[in-house]
Amino acid sequence: DAKTTQPNSMESNEEEPVHLPCNHSTISGTDYIHWYRQLPSQGPEYVIHGLTSNVNNRMASLAIAEDRKSSTLILHRATLRDAAVYYCIRIQGAQKLVFGQGTRLTINP
Amino acid sequence: EAGVAQSPRYKIIEKRQSVAFWCNPISGHATLYWYQQILGQGPKLLIQFQNNGVVDDSQLPKDRFSAERLKGVDSTLKIQPAKLEDSAVYLCASSSYSHTGELFFGEGSRLTVL
Repeated sequence: DAKTTQPNSMESNEEEPVHLPCNHSTISGTDYIHWYRQLPSQGPEYVIHGLTSNVNNRMASLAIAEDRKSSTLILHRATLRDAAVYYCIRIQGAQKLVFGQGTRLTINP
Repeated sequence: EAGVAQSPRYKIIEKRQSVAFWCNPISGHATLYWYQQILGQGPKLLIQFQNNGVVDDSQLPKDRFSAERLKGVDSTLKIQPAKLEDSAVYLCASSSYSHTGELFFGEGSRLTVL
């Protein structure tokens, strides 16, 4: 039902960029792509969202492929506080967020 | 701005007992959600309210779970009777009704059923 595919886990080093991929090959023209992250023992936290164009905010950048079948969340300079589970989600109308398994990101000091 | 408030944070009960969780969303947010998150899994939507009406409750086990949002503000999720497999974190989220879909989550209520 989630209709997005992400790697189960990724690992990176502190102060290096991190690229988190997401596949959404069956996306429709009006579906938004949202990213949330969940730190240990906390509820999910909104990171960024986009429709067709690349997006930047204070937390991250979102690069959406031209055919919209995939996207990449970019953390430009990872810190230990970025260690979390990252969820890539399609919004299918009426703001219904369907979470998948997400990617567990580990940051090495 | 105050965030989404949930209580209790932790609850331990025995199977077949009942439990209730409370959620107070961000002021002015029309949409409220209850999610269930079992350890190691992503959150699963149980029910979505728009003001005090139900938008989606397709994954709510209605034989034992119930939820209400009186007056379109705070909400209560009840489980009666609880089963072992109901052990999970119950997350409440709210959003203003817009196309951006940004949800604000509470810290969750952790339920352990023995």
